[in-house]
Amino acid sequence: TQLLEQSPQFLSIQEGENLTVYCNSSSVFSSLQWYRQEPGEGPVLLVTVVTGGEVKKLKRLTFQFGDARKDSSLHITAAQPGDTGLYLCAGANAGNNRKLIWGLGTSLAVNP
Amino acid sequence: GAVVSQHPSRVICKSGTSVKIECRSLDFQATTMFWYRQFPKKSLMLMATSNEGSKATYEQGVEKDKFLINHASLTLSTLTVTSAHPEDSSFYICSARESGSNQPQHFGDGTRLSIL
Repeated sequence: TQLLEQSPQFLSIQEGENLTVYCNSSSVFSSLQWYRQEPGEGPVLLVTVVTGGEVKKLKRLTFQFGDARKDSSLHITAAQPGDTGLYLCAGANAGNNRKLIWGLGTSLAVNP
Repeated sequence: GAVVSQHPSRVICKSGTSVKIECRSLDFQATTMFWYRQFPKKSLMLMATSNEGSKATYEQGVEKDKFLINHASLTLSTLTVTSAHPEDSSFYICSARESGSNQPQHFGDGTRLSIL
């Protein structure tokens, strides 16, 4: 069974601080996606990383895919209250079932 | 692009009622849609994979007779919770995936189901 370990599960920080969320697996993924979800809404795709070692930036968010495509990280610089939400990583395998393997999520609270 | 519409957003009904939730891909065709259940501040739990024109594939532990899935077209999948009970109360979310390798899933806004 494939697993994607996401940490930390809960994070409460002050506005302006930096943070990093990690997703790790012993399995190789063809791609990995990061989503952000707010209460009562569906997850919204932030980024898809495909190539080992790939780094993508989205304003203050930096996403990295491990060289071996088994792990990924999300780094937020100078967090703001608007960054509060549930961050989810999900790994995809090549193949026909197209299911995603989900991390447990990181509930982030950024306090003003 | 890649908008998924889920309806209704909230349902409150009595125990024993059957509830249908619709999931539509508005600007793309989705041969595969997914139905998830989510508990507060937890990750998504895949219930089933909905395949256009064929039977859904259910995850282990999900009762297919309880959660009926129909994927009649490339833009619509429905989930019917039959004879719902309070323990079925949850947040149900659908997603749709565009064809092609490494395409992400795009999610609806979810349905909050409350069974009294």
